[in-house]
Amino acid sequence: GQQLNQSPQSMFIQEGEDVSMNCTSSSIFNTWLWYKQEPGEGPVLLIALYKAGELTSNGRLTAQFGITRKDSFLNISASIPSDVGIYFCAGQKGVYNTDKLIFGTGTRLQVFP
Amino acid sequence: ETGVTQSPTHLIKTRGQQVTLRCSSQSGHNTVSWYQQALGQGPQFIFQYYREEENGRGNFPPRFSGLQFPNYSSELNVNALELDDSALYLCASSLDLLLEQYFGPGTRLTVT
Repeated sequence: GQQLNQSPQSMFIQEGEDVSMNCTSSSIFNTWLWYKQEPGEGPVLLIALYKAGELTSNGRLTAQFGITRKDSFLNISASIPSDVGIYFCAGQKGVYNTDKLIFGTGTRLQVFP
Repeated sequence: ETGVTQSPTHLIKTRGQQVTLRCSSQSGHNTVSWYQQALGQGPQFIFQYYREEENGRGNFPPRFSGLQFPNYSSELNVNALELDDSALYLCASSLDLLLEQYFGPGTRLTVT
């Protein structure tokens, strides 16, 4: 099935560093969501974006909906050990849940103390 | 407020068998979506149920079927299991087809 491209595939950083990751598509999306998944658990919703150019924060996390509507970015500031996990972007072409949510390939984040 | 719950947590089946996975949606949510997540990949949409009716389906064969009950809980049934069906099956609920979906912990299915 179709998946969005996420980069980098994995990151190994030191506690306190800032993190940037992105998600790209060949198609236009009208909604972007960012999820975090920890081992043995389902994805947890972090941020939802509904408008091109929109910049939304959730604590140390900031996400942006790309102007072209074909990409999205997630930044984590001052990383801490509990930020470890796999971060997935997900895009949807509709506004309501009438079309399937397409997930990215994931960015695995490791934070060292 | 109760979150999304799934049962069982783990399951081992033999090729050719049938399996039923269960999901209880978050309190107040009437939309349930099912996803298959293979190891090292993102979730893949299987189908969605809204008010007891199927409301969209991904690229999965008919041997993947589902059901939603009046209390909005849901089942995923897979017939004639194949080795490639081994995966984490995730259920997500939302309110009135909104895109902000909340996931359960998943059921890990192993087919031998």
